[in-house]
Parts: sequence; structure tokens; C-alpha cells
Amino acid sequence: NAGVTQTPKFQVLKTGQSMTLQCAQDMNHNSMYWYRQDPGMGLRLIYYSASEGTTDKGEVPNGYNVSRLNKREFSLRLESAAPSQTSVYFCAGRSGTGGYNEQFFGPGTRLTVL
Amino acid sequence: SQQGEEDPQALSIQEGENATMNCSYKTSINNLQWYRQNSGRGLVHLILIRSNEREKHSGRLRVTLDTSKKSSSLLITASRAADTASYFCATSLDNYGQNFVFGPGTRLSVLP
Repeated sequence: NAGVTQTPKFQVLKTGQSMTLQCAQDMNHNSMYWYRQDPGMGLRLIYYSASEGTTDKGEVPNGYNVSRLNKREFSLRLESAAPSQTSVYFCAGRSGTGGYNEQFFGPGTRLTVL
Repeated sequence: SQQGEEDPQALSIQEGENATMNCSYKTSINNLQWYRQNSGRGLVHLILIRSNEREKHSGRLRVTLDTSKKSSSLLITASRAADTASYFCATSLDNYGQNFVFGPGTRLSVLP
């Protein structure tokens, strides 16, 4: 099993460019999450998907869109990148309901917006 | 402001010593989770403690939860250089366990 995978690992964008971060999992997770991690800030939830076909905003959704393409894949799109979106982005998956299950994280995508 | 906040922000100890990290949160929870992050990597789950539990053990880890004080502590006993990492607590803001909030973390350095 590959677990939770993310592509790309690194990306440099210019202000105003768009891109999609891809996340896939082969652990049969119902829920999937996108976080960003800035230095000294811990992780902040951008969007989550409790099940296939549903998405909800987290703490910092502005400037992002998501798509839960199917149970395995959850993508994050930046339509018009800004320097403030320079960060490390993590995708995570989780099985079960009620919060009594751990999240499994991908290795992260390091994004720089110039 | 963040739901979970760890202290200290950074901790440096010698191998073999114990390390204690604390987490405070603001709203009621149904469980609290601790994660570890090695430099440049994703987070790895360590332990989950439910709101009706006061203490939980897993190997060299001991977690306590005080819901009256809205705080938790993570104790790592007999630390090793390999324990060097950042440690985060996480709680859920909703009753469905979906909208997670992580604290800023404690950066632990274990010196050989």
C-alpha cells in the first residue's frame, strides 16, 4: 500500500498562476483533508471532505477550491496564486466517523509563490 | 486564535531524560490526539485520548487529559535522539470529528 500520496513534491509559481495539488489514498478512507503549514503556525485546515461528494470549509479556505473526485482522490486548486499562499501543503485521510480515528498524512507539497 | 496551543514552544533535553509537553484547548472535545512530525515529513499519529479518559499509555508515551482545565500533557520517558521532532496536539471543533485544529507544536531536541 502506498498510503497517502501527494504530487508534486515541490512547486514554484508566479503570482497569478494557477495550479492543482493532487492527493490520492489507497487506505479506503472516508474522510480527506487539506492543510497548510506555515513556520511556527502548526497546521491549519483549508478544506475537508467527510465523504465522497461532499466538501466543507475549514479555518482558511479563501483562495482555494477542492474537488473530491472519487473516494480515493481529493485535489486542491489555487486559481490565482498569491505570495501569502507560500506554504507546505499536507493532505490527510481518515476512516470511520466521530473523530475517534487517526489521520494519515501524505509527505507534503512545498509551494513557493513569487 | 487557535483551539490547541502547546507549550513549551521548544524543549531541549539529554538522552535518557523525560520530556513533558502541554496542550491547552478552548472548546469542549470528544477526544484529543497527539502527532509527531519529523523535519520535512508529514505528521504521524501517536496516541488518542477520549474525553472520558484521564490517562493513557503507549510504550514510552503517557498522555493525560484534564477536561476541567481544558488541557493535556504528553510525557515521553527515557528519551532517545530519534525522538527529536515536533509534537502537535489536535482536537475537533465539531461533533462529527471532522473540523480539526492543530496547535503550533513543541519542538523537541534530544541531545546524545
